Amino acid sequence: AQSVAQPEDQVNVAEGNPLTVKCTYSVSGNPYLFWYVQYPNRGLQFLLKYITGDNLVKGSYGFEAEFNKSQTSFHLKKPSALVSDSALYFCAVRDIGQPGGYNKLIFGAGTRLAVHP
Amino acid sequence: DGGITQSPKYLFRKEGQNVTLSCEQNLNHDAMYWYRQDPGQGLRLIYYSQIVNDFQKGDIAEGYSVSREKKESFPLTVTSAQKNPTAFYLCASSKVESGNTGELFFGEGSRLTVL
Repeated sequence: AQSVAQPEDQVNVAEGNPLTVKCTYSVSGNPYLFWYVQYPNRGLQFLLKYITGDNLVKGSYGFEAEFNKSQTSFHLKKPSALVSDSALYFCAVRDIGQPGGYNKLIFGAGTRLAVHP
Repeated sequence: DGGITQSPKYLFRKEGQNVTLSCEQNLNHDAMYWYRQDPGQGLRLIYYSQIVNDFQKGDIAEGYSVSREKKESFPLTVTSAQKNPTAFYLCASSKVESGNTGELFFGEGSRLTVL
């Protein structure tokens, strides 16, 4: 069965330092991978996605993610963290068992990012 | 501007009452979804619909019902059969087309509290 794991409940980083939020996945075919961000009491906002091609994907707000097929990982990164990046981050994988365009995404449990001044 | 509107944002319910959460989108998306969010559990799929008058159960459909009478609307009813309904509910939509890559657009959520 398809699944997504985010091994860290929380990541703490100082402002200006690089950040990494980890994600590993398990799918039976080629993965479609996504990162979303959620601010308190808000909906999820799309950050970036990997479908095919270059393993380094660039997204919104300076975030990027690196797809590593051999390690089945899709870690989210940013070179220099901002206090305003503090939020809940979700990794998701598309359920390829759904035919014809269904977009049933399977989400990880989320990682809370705290950026300290 | 196009988007997804959920209402109400906050809702309180007594045990034994049914409540309906509204979700409307003007993105002209074919597919719509309801997710439930609980602390530390991520998002779990309740129901989804690809076209009008058709919908499918997700992973945690028990105690919930939906309808899809219009493309723009996908209301969720939380029935008294739902044992633990207190949660944050998120509605989403997406395009449906060949090779679609699965990007979902989310509403702002509805927080339901059972008293």
